[in-house]
Amino acid sequence: SAVISQKPSRDICQRGTSLTIQCQVDSQVTMMFWYRQQPGQSLTLIATANQGSEATYESGFVIDKFPISRPNLTFSTLTVSNMSPEDSSIYLCSVEPQTHIYNEQFFGPGTRLTVL
Amino acid sequence: SQQGEEDPQALSIQEGENATMNCSYKTSINNLQWYRQNSGRGLVHLILIRSNEREKHSGRLRVTLDTSKKSSSLLITASRAADTASYFCATKDNYGQNFVFGPGTRLSVLP
Repeated sequence: SAVISQKPSRDICQRGTSLTIQCQVDSQVTMMFWYRQQPGQSLTLIATANQGSEATYESGFVIDKFPISRPNLTFSTLTVSNMSPEDSSIYLCSVEPQTHIYNEQFFGPGTRLTVL
Repeated sequence: SQQGEEDPQALSIQEGENATMNCSYKTSINNLQWYRQNSGRGLVHLILIRSNEREKHSGRLRVTLDTSKKSSSLLITASRAADTASYFCATKDNYGQNFVFGPGTRLSVLP
């Protein structure tokens, strides 16, 4: 498995501001993913972040709103830009370790974001 | 689009009873994974079952997969109050590209 940490664990932000969420993994991984979980809902994939290339965004998510960095094989950031109350969600980082050929995915503890 | 669908959406049982949750999906898969989420925290990986497997066990957990019916079930035996959580299934397609979550089942185990 992989040990994943996220910062911050939670935050309360004002409308119109931006928040950057950090994800740190204890081992090198090629594939990292960012998910959003709106209140009472399941997880929705925002984007896939591979080191050395631009993030790939899912339908409904755009780079201007959710810019992602992936500077190395153990770290990634997701920024939620120009926030509105609709962005209040849990944001989760996930990785797929290269050693797991059957594609197990592991998740961080999440960042609970509340936008006022 | 959503791949996995779980039922029931919510389940309430007494401690010591067994809990069964079901997951259905629509397209061919490489594997199906079950996760637990406590109170809006991170997801804990429970078990992965490959498309060529029919049943797997891990402690009090038993997972079955029926690819002909495109469905899976998660059985938790001898449930405990600490099992209270939301349980999600997620499927990985044959290309290993898409990992899609079902809506989840909220399990409450009453002492």
